[in-house]
Amino acid sequence: EVQLVESGGGLVQPGGSLRLSCAGSGFTFSSFRMDWVRQPPGKGLVWVSRINGDGSSTRYADSVKGRFTISRDNAKNTLYLQINNLTAEDTARYFCVRGVRTGMTFYFDHWGQGTLVTVSS
Amino acid sequence: SDELTQPPSVSVSPGQSARITCSGDALPKKYVHWYQYKSGQAPVLVIYEDTKRPSGIPQRISGSISGTLATLTISGAQVEDEADYYCYLTDTNGNHRFGGGTKLTVL
Repeated sequence: EVQLVESGGGLVQPGGSLRLSCAGSGFTFSSFRMDWVRQPPGKGLVWVSRINGDGSSTRYADSVKGRFTISRDNAKNTLYLQINNLTAEDTARYFCVRGVRTGMTFYFDHWGQGTLVTVSS
Repeated sequence: SDELTQPPSVSVSPGQSARITCSGDALPKKYVHWYQYKSGQAPVLVIYEDTKRPSGIPQRISGSISGTLATLTISGAQVEDEADYYCYLTDTNGNHRFGGGTKLTVL
């Protein structure tokens, strides 16, 4: 059974930093692209970042570019998101998701339960 | 527009069919996928590539598409189907697009 378990969220002051982690199990972690998606309180889902299977390629949403860094340790089956210079607009539940690309499309086939990041003084 | 538009809420009685729509100009060209999200739980993929159902998803959940409108149908909706539902696709520029989400109430 595929499992994704996030950790590392919490309350942080504006300008602060956090490192989110996502432990994957039940599949060959290094074979899959992994993404982060977030949901601000009362709002919809927003894609944040992605990394390919071997970690050589990353991409970010414009709203987080330069402040967030996605990485992975395939030996530990773990995905990370380093988030710096946090603002109130970064307050959200952050989901770790597994990406699947077929010949015709791309989608997220498994999600974690998310970890809550609250930015407040 | 590349936006995906969903109604904010849909309400049905138990046993009725619930239809949740997702409209967008990209739909004729791109596959749409649907997620069920119950608060406190991990979102679940319930439909992929417009109409396909992952293993473990009940047959009462189905997807269809006609032009710029995709529809998620829950036949004989049950209380356990109460959740937020999101449509999703990657557009022609590779951008990730989620609909705004629809809250399904079954009561």
